[in-house]
Amino acid sequence: DAKTTQPTSMDCAEGRAANLPCNHSTISGNEYVYWYRQIHSQGPQYIIHGLKNNETNEMASLIITEDRKSSTLILPHATLRDTAVYYCIVRVGSGGSNYKLTFGKGTLLTVNP
Amino acid sequence: DGGITQSPKYLFRKEGQNVTLSCEQNLNHDAMYWYRQDPGQGLRLIYYSQIVNDFQKGDIAEGYSVSREKKESFPLTVTSAQKNPTAFYLCASSDPRQSTGLYNEQFFGPGTRLTVL
Repeated sequence: DAKTTQPTSMDCAEGRAANLPCNHSTISGNEYVYWYRQIHSQGPQYIIHGLKNNETNEMASLIITEDRKSSTLILPHATLRDTAVYYCIVRVGSGGSNYKLTFGKGTLLTVNP
Repeated sequence: DGGITQSPKYLFRKEGQNVTLSCEQNLNHDAMYWYRQDPGQGLRLIYYSQIVNDFQKGDIAEGYSVSREKKESFPLTVTSAQKNPTAFYLCASSDPRQSTGLYNEQFFGPGTRLTVL
C-alpha cells in the first residue's frame, strides 16, 4: 500500500471549515483513499473514501487531485466534537491484502471555541 | 443496536500472566481484526480472521493468540511471551460483501486499555 504524509497537527475555529491535507504521491491506479478519525481513547471511525472523483457524505467531503497524488478532507462546519486524530489511508480496494488498514500517525485536529 | 463490544474497558495484569480480551459483534460480519495502539502511534495489526475457524497473523503477532470458533466472537489472548503488552487494544469487523464489493469498511469497538504492572 502507498505511503501517506499528513501534517502532525492543525487548529480550526469552531464553525469554520477544516481542511486536512494528505499527500500520497506513490498511489497506484487501483488504490483508494480512505479517511478515518479517532477521538481520544475511542476506536477509529470511518469517515469517507474515494478513488478518483470527489466524494461527499453527511460527515465530510473528499477532494482528490486530478493526478491523485494528494487529497483534502473537508469538514464544512467544524464543531468541538470534531477534535480528533484524522488518518489518511491508501490501499487497494479488492483482493490480495484488502483486509489490512495501515494507520500512520495522522493529523491531530483541534477545534477551538 | 448493532455494533462491536469489547470488555473490559480497562484491564490490569501482573507480569507473567496470560490475559484474554473479549470482542463480540452482532453485525453479522465475516471478518474480524485485532489492532494494537501505543501512545502517539498509529494502529498495528496483530491478527485477523476472514471467516470462522480461520485466522492469520498480522504484522505483530508474536506473543499473542486468537481463536474464531463463532462468527460473532474473536477473543485475543496476550501471553506472557509478549514483551511489552501495555497498550490500547482495538477490535474491528467488516463485511467484504458490502457496498461496491470492493471495499470492506472496518467498524471498530471502543477498545481495551491493558496495563501490565
